[in-house]
Amino acid sequence: QQQVKQSPQSLIVQKGGISIINCAYENTAFDYFPWYQQFPGKGPALLIAIRPDVSEKKEGRFTISFNKSAKQFSLHIMDSQPGDSATYFCAARGYGGATNKLIFGTGTLLAVQP
Amino acid sequence: NAGVTQTPKFQVLKTGQSMTLQCAQDMNHEYMSWYRQDPGMGLRLIHYSVGAGITDQGEVPNGYNVSRSTTEDFPLRLLSAAPSQTSVYFCASSYSNGPYGYTFGSGTRLTVV
Repeated sequence: QQQVKQSPQSLIVQKGGISIINCAYENTAFDYFPWYQQFPGKGPALLIAIRPDVSEKKEGRFTISFNKSAKQFSLHIMDSQPGDSATYFCAARGYGGATNKLIFGTGTLLAVQP
Repeated sequence: NAGVTQTPKFQVLKTGQSMTLQCAQDMNHEYMSWYRQDPGMGLRLIHYSVGAGITDQGEVPNGYNVSRSTTEDFPLRLLSAAPSQTSVYFCASSYSNGPYGYTFGSGTRLTVV
C-alpha cells in the first residue's frame, strides 16, 4: 500500500506562475524526502531533497517546504517555465538500516503553458 | 561514465514467455533496485539488493526473480509473463547507508500480449 500520498495528479500552470505539488506521509520513521523529475521517455532524476530537521530547502527556482508535525512536504517551482513540464515524484526513505529504500508517491504531471 | 544501463529498451512478449531485463551500473554502487511504473500508480518497488549475494522483496515481487552475483549487475527475470506485467521498468542504484539520491536507468517498456 502507498505510504506517500501525492497530489494533484496533474497540474497546469501558466509560464511565470508558481507550481505547487504536495505530499503527505504516515510513517514517522522516514528520514529523507527527495523529489524526482521525469521527462517523457527518460528515467527519473533527482531534483532536490530535504531532511526532517530542516523546514525549507531552496535550490534555484525549486523549494521544498517541510512540515514535520503535519507529516507533509511540498515542492514549489517559482517562475515556472515550459521546460519544467514533466512528471514529478516525491519520495521518502525509511529511517535506519543499511538500505536506501525509497517509497515513491504516485506522481504529478505538470504542464507549463507558454 | 555510462551510469545505469538498461537493456532492452522495448520488448513485446507473449503470455507465458520468460525473459530477463538487464541492468548494469559502473558507479560501484552497493544498492540496486527495480521499480515498475504504471499510470496513476507511481513507481513501485519490485526487488532490491544491498550488495552482491543479497536481495530482498519490495512491494510487488510476485512473478519476478532477481539475483546479484556482482556489484555491477542486477538482472530482473520474468518467469512466465502475464498481461498484468505490461509496464515500464526502471533500474536504480545508489550508495548504501544513505540517504543518497538514486541514479535511474532509461527504462524498459514491456508489453505482454
